[in-house]
Amino acid sequence: NAGVTQTPKFRILKIGQSMTLQCTQDMNHNYMYWYRQDPGMGLKLIYYSVGAGITDKGEVPNGYNVSRSTTEDFPLRLELAAPSQTSVYFCASSRALDSPLHFGNGTRLTVT
Amino acid sequence: RKEVEQDPGPFNVPEGATVAFNCTYSNSASQSFFWYRQDCRKEPKLLMSVYSSGNEDGRFTAQLNRASQYISLLIRDSKLSDSATYLCVVTNNAGNMLTFGGGTRLMVKP
Repeated sequence: NAGVTQTPKFRILKIGQSMTLQCTQDMNHNYMYWYRQDPGMGLKLIYYSVGAGITDKGEVPNGYNVSRSTTEDFPLRLELAAPSQTSVYFCASSRALDSPLHFGNGTRLTVT
Repeated sequence: RKEVEQDPGPFNVPEGATVAFNCTYSNSASQSFFWYRQDCRKEPKLLMSVYSSGNEDGRFTAQLNRASQYISLLIRDSKLSDSATYLCVVTNNAGNMLTFGGGTRLMVKP
């Protein structure tokens, strides 16, 4: 049982490049989330989804886009990478909005 | 007022000590409460749910005080391996999802 799987684990981008962070879950959870965590700081919600075809902005959505074409996948897109997007990105899923979240291992992104 | 507030610490305690953290929340209608543990450079992991009557899991005890709007986590007989950041999670003010506190860092020393 893989749970929540994120790829890649690490990535270095140049300013202005784009990339997609992949997230997939095999628990048939409707709810999925993307967080970023800067060093020594708490989690900040970027985007979330309550089901296939439905996404909504979180606390810090600027510079990011998401899609949810299937229940399993919730990719996060960075179009024009900026140094301020250097962070650790966590994807999570849950069965319901008030159920515990299950996290992936994270993607460590550096933009230089 | 923040939706969830935690003392960031660090709490430095010797092995074997008992330590307690509190977490205050602003949504009086919150129904869901959890404690997560996050090790350095790792993902958060569910430590335990918090039930209205309080609950215990080994050396860990969680309690809820609705009147004062806080939850607590008590760790008895601290181990070196308990060193981590402990995140409080409650229902947000809009009532439509869970929100995370900033975490309390615990360091257990030999």
